[in-house]
This record gives sequence, structure tokens and C-alpha cells, in this order.
Amino acid sequence: AQSVTQLDSHVSVSEGTPVLLRCNYSSSYSPSLFWYVQHPNKGLQLLLKYTSAATLVKGINGFEAEFKKSETSFHLTKPSAHMSDAAEYFCVVSVQYGGSQGNLIFGKGTKLSVKP
Amino acid sequence: DGGITQSPKYLFRKEGQNVTLSCEQNLNHDAMYWYRQDPGQGLRLIYYSQIVNDFQKGDIAEGYSVSREKKESFPLTVTSAQKNPTAFYLCASSIEASGGYNEQFFGPGTRLTVL
Repeated sequence: AQSVTQLDSHVSVSEGTPVLLRCNYSSSYSPSLFWYVQHPNKGLQLLLKYTSAATLVKGINGFEAEFKKSETSFHLTKPSAHMSDAAEYFCVVSVQYGGSQGNLIFGKGTKLSVKP
Repeated sequence: DGGITQSPKYLFRKEGQNVTLSCEQNLNHDAMYWYRQDPGQGLRLIYYSQIVNDFQKGDIAEGYSVSREKKESFPLTVTSAQKNPTAFYLCASSIEASGGYNEQFFGPGTRLTVL
């Protein structure tokens, strides 16, 4: 069975400093992994996805994530935080096998705060 | 503009009443999904539909019902049997259900408050 764990429920950074949001996954198969962002009272927007091509994935708004199979991790990073990055971020794995193949399993989310 | 619309944005109902949340997509996607979001719990799958006239229970289907009579529409009914219906509800769609590489596209959500 697949699962995903976001290691921090809340991360706070200063504007202009790097962002690191940590995610570990569990999967018996080669996983498809996603990061979504949600601003308050809004729907979710896809930031980036890993689909077994390049291990370093670049997304929108300067975010990127690196798939590390040996560490079962898919951490999200950004070199320099902007005030508009303040939001909740979800690490997501796609079910790879069985009747619910293609369904998504969400982490509990990491709330990112950005201080001026 | 292609996308997913959910209405209404905010919904208030009295305890014991059934309520139906609307979800429409014009992306020509086969698969549609309903999620419930509670603070600190991420998103949990209520129901999903891989094709018209077919749908499957997700992880927390009790107290909810759905229909999929048209490809574009996937309404969710929150029944009086749902013990704690106050939550943020998100609808999503994807090109197909079985493709693990297909991301899901989300609507703006409906916040339901039961008084």
C-alpha cells in the first residue's frame, strides 16, 4: 500500500530565505508523486509532479523537488521565499495498483508562513 | 475558460437536512472525485467516478451519496446520516482514473456549515 508522510505541520521562514518542506513516501511500486499548494479557502493547484523521468523536478513559481529512492523522500524546495508563497502544501502519491489505481493519497499538509 | 466550478462557495444548513453540492467541469475529463478537508487532516476521498453512470466509494463514503448522469457533472449529497458534515468540500477531475501520471484538477471548494 502507498502512503505519504509530511514531516512538519508548520514551517516558518523569512522572506528571501530558502524553503524546505519535507515529505517521505511508502510505495511497493515506482510511485507517481505530486506537490499541490492551497491558498486559504481556495482549491488546490498543482506545483509539480514526478513520473519516473528526471529525479529533479521543476515546478511553477520557482519550486522544485528531488525524488530520492534510497531515502524514499520527495522534499520540496525553493531558493528564496516570497510573501505570496504563504499557503498550505500537500505531498501526494498516486495509487499504482488495484481497483482504485490513479486515486491520490494526500499527506496531512504543511502550512508555510513567510515573515517580512 | 476550461475548469471546474463548484457552487455555492458557502452553504449553511440546519442539522437533519440533506444538502446537495454542485460540481461541473468542462475539461472533458472522464474521472471525477469528491474530497472532504478538515483542519490538520489533509484531503480524504468520499466518492469517485471513473466514467458516466458509474461511481465508487472512497475512504469516508458513509452519510454521502453521488450521481454521475452526465460526464460534466458530479453532484454530492450530504445526508442527515453524516454525523459531522461541517467541512470544506473539494471536487476534482482527471483525464482518466487509472493513469497514475494524470494529475487531478480541483475546483474552488464549498464550505458547508451545519447549524
